[in-house]
Parts: sequence; structure tokens; C-alpha cells
Amino acid sequence: AQSVTQLDSHVSVSEGTPVLLRCNYSSSYSPSLFWYVQHPNKGLQLLLKYTSAATLVKGINGFEAEFKKSETSFHLTKPSAHMSDAAEYFCVVSVSSGGYNKLIFGAGTRLAVHP
Amino acid sequence: DGGITQSPKYLFRKEGQNVTLSCEQNLNHDAMYWYRQDPGQGLRLIYYSQIVNDFQKGDIAEGYSVSREKKESFPLTVTSAQKNPTAFYLCASSIFAGQNSPLHFGNGTRLTVT
Repeated sequence: AQSVTQLDSHVSVSEGTPVLLRCNYSSSYSPSLFWYVQHPNKGLQLLLKYTSAATLVKGINGFEAEFKKSETSFHLTKPSAHMSDAAEYFCVVSVSSGGYNKLIFGAGTRLAVHP
Repeated sequence: DGGITQSPKYLFRKEGQNVTLSCEQNLNHDAMYWYRQDPGQGLRLIYYSQIVNDFQKGDIAEGYSVSREKKESFPLTVTSAQKNPTAFYLCASSIFAGQNSPLHFGNGTRLTVT
């Protein structure tokens, strides 16, 4: 069975310091993996996606994620946090199921950025 | 600009009433989806549609209904049979219903039922 675990429900960093949001997945097949960001009362916006090409994926707003098959992880990082990065982040695994794009969402990590 | 429009942004209803949430996209996407989001939880799939005039139940379809008469539109009706309808509802679309096709989301409708 496929699943996604976001290891931290809340992460707090100071502006200008690195960000690490952790995600582990379980999948019987070669998954596609995504990170989405959600600002309050908004929809989700795609940050980046992994689809079995390069294991280090660069996304928007300076974020990147590394796919590590041996660790079944897809952690999201950013070298220097900005106040505007404060939001909720979702790790998502996508698998094909009967021709349908089945997305499995993690529970989310709320990132707080302090001055 | 292309995108997904959900309306209204906030919706209030009395218990026992059906209510319909609107979702329109001008991205020319084939697939459309409805998700429900509750505090502290990830998104859960209610219904999805891969093509016009076809839709399938997701993980939590009970108490909901949809239609897909036009490619651009995928309205969701929350019926009185839904036990806990108060939630944030998100509509999404993708170019096709394939594994590598990312979703584009609307800004959501927050439904409160009292």
C-alpha cells in the first residue's frame, strides 16, 4: 500500500536560516513525488515534482528536494528562509491506479518563519 | 490568465439543506477533482472525472454528488446525507489523469453548516 509520512507537523525557523521539511513515502511502484505549498485560505501551488529523472529536483522560490530511493525519502530544503515562506507544505505521492492519477497526501507541515 | 475558479469563497448553510459548490477551469484540462481538507489532515479525494460525462467516486464520496456535463465545469453538491459537511473544499484539474500530471488547484470554498 502507498503512503506518505511527513515527519514534522510544525517547523519553526529564523529568517535567513536553512529550511528542512522531511517526507518519507511507501510505494510498491516507482512513484512520482510532489511538494505543494498552501498559504492560508488558498489552494495548493506546485513547488516541484520528481518523475524518475534527476534525483535532485529544483523548484520555485529557491526550494529543492532530493529523491533517495534507499531511504524512501523526499525531503524539501531551502538554503535561506524568507518570511513569505511561512505556509503549510504537503508531500504527495502519485501512483497510477486503473488509469487514474491517484494522489496520496501527507498530513502537512506548517512552517513558521521568525524575524 | 488561465486557472481554476471556485465560487463562492465562503458559504453558510443550515443543516439539512443541499448546497452546490462551483468549479470552472479554462485550462482545457481533461481531468478534474474534488478534495476535502480538514484541519491537521491532508487532502482527501471526494470525486474525480477523467473526461466529460464520466466521473468516479474517490475515498470519501458518501453524501456528495457531482456532474461533468462540460469540460470546463465540475460542480459538487453536498447533500444532507453528508454527516460532517463543514470543511474547506478544493477543486483541481490536470491535463490528463496520468501519474506524472501535476494538479492545478482553485482557491477553495469554505463551507460552514450549522
